[in-house]
Amino acid sequence: DIQMTQSPSSLPASVGDRVTITCRASQSISSFLNWYQQKPGKAPKLLITTASSLQSGVPSRFSGSGSGTDFTLTISSLQPEDLATYYCEQSYTTPVTFGQGTRLEI
Amino acid sequence: EVQLVESGGGLVKSGGSLRLSCAASGLTFSTAWMSWVRQAPGKGLEWVGRIKSKIDGGTTDYTAPVKGRFTISRDDSKNTLYLQMNSLRTEDTAVYFCRGGSKDWGQGTLVTVSS
Repeated sequence: DIQMTQSPSSLPASVGDRVTITCRASQSISSFLNWYQQKPGKAPKLLITTASSLQSGVPSRFSGSGSGTDFTLTISSLQPEDLATYYCEQSYTTPVTFGQGTRLEI
Repeated sequence: EVQLVESGGGLVKSGGSLRLSCAASGLTFSTAWMSWVRQAPGKGLEWVGRIKSKIDGGTTDYTAPVKGRFTISRDDSKNTLYLQMNSLRTEDTAVYFCRGGSKDWGQGTLVTVSS
């Protein structure tokens, strides 16, 4: 199975900060990488697909980059509503696997 | 608007069975690859398995911990996805989400397996 390792596990940040979350795959997954945001008690929300494609309706302060094994999710200017846990997911092969999550603490 | 509504969760004893359903609307269900994702209390997301559309073969894949115990099926005439869970273990306790493609998620249904 492909292991997905996110860092950091938690990230204290302030409104207006530029925030970067990284995700590393145990083998190359090309660009088959999705990013999700999950708020407490809610289903995950898809933010970015294929490593860098922003989903419709997602604020432009979110961006993704990377290919192969190393990926990043960047929030250019953190807003209070961005308090959530963020997960990466590889869809290159089954079993599909998620990173362990990064909890943003504002 | 896509809606995925799970049902069938509840409390079951270890070794028991449960069948979850996911009623879909607002999407072309018959062509969608559907999956189940679970989340144990306070933990991260875990992919359970997937079923392809019939036109793409209708095959299923599962994560190792559930292989041989869980079965995913679909009824395209009812726009409904199923997860049959047998030989349940306490570690199967989680919220189970139905997912269409990568984007569309249900609200989840809680399965609690007691010892």
